[in-house]
Amino acid sequence: DGGITQSPKYLFRKEGQNVTLSCEQNLNHDAMYWYRQDPGQGLRLIYYSQIVNDFQKGDIAEGYSVSREKKESFPLTVTSAQKNPTAFYLCASTALLAGGPGEQFFGPGTRLTVL
Amino acid sequence: RKEVEQDPGPFNVPEGATVAFNCTYSNSASQSFFWYRQDCRKEPKLLMSVYSSGNEDGRFTAQLNRASQYISLLIRDSKLSDSATYLCVGRTNAGKSTFGDGTTLTVKP
Repeated sequence: DGGITQSPKYLFRKEGQNVTLSCEQNLNHDAMYWYRQDPGQGLRLIYYSQIVNDFQKGDIAEGYSVSREKKESFPLTVTSAQKNPTAFYLCASTALLAGGPGEQFFGPGTRLTVL
Repeated sequence: RKEVEQDPGPFNVPEGATVAFNCTYSNSASQSFFWYRQDCRKEPKLLMSVYSSGNEDGRFTAQLNRASQYISLLIRDSKLSDSATYLCVGRTNAGKSTFGDGTTLTVKP
């Protein structure tokens, strides 16, 4: 089955610890994205990558870091510099087609709680 | 002002009702528009793309007005299973998507 997997589904960390969220896709999509969602709000873009070894900051990149060493993988690290990291984190991917980006598919998300 | 603005609702309607959601966007670089559906504590899923000519998928009709920077979604004959949060999305040609905060719909028996 093709799709996007995120792990773990729930994650608890102590304040001051860095934590890395996993995102893997086997859709052969070029572009991958990380979003954050807080209760009652829409998704806000953290980072995105259109090609291996390249990525761009989204609207709320401070306190986060990413890497894109492989096309299939786009891990997100929530650092201790992120002031309010408790949130629902969603990874997405898209094929970059000649006519423009294709449909954006989402993983099931990771709920991070910082205690 | 947010780039994509939606009426948060909540919209509480009886089964069989027709309900309309509105959305406005301010980023002229947004070229493609979509409605996503998000169930509680789940990831968003694409409901439909939105075109200037209007498009219909069963009970759902979406419309885009580029001049007014306005997007709409109409749901006819509401079902209990339509209860969810509906997210309006604008996307640039580079693939950067901006989401509205969502409109919550509850369909009651």
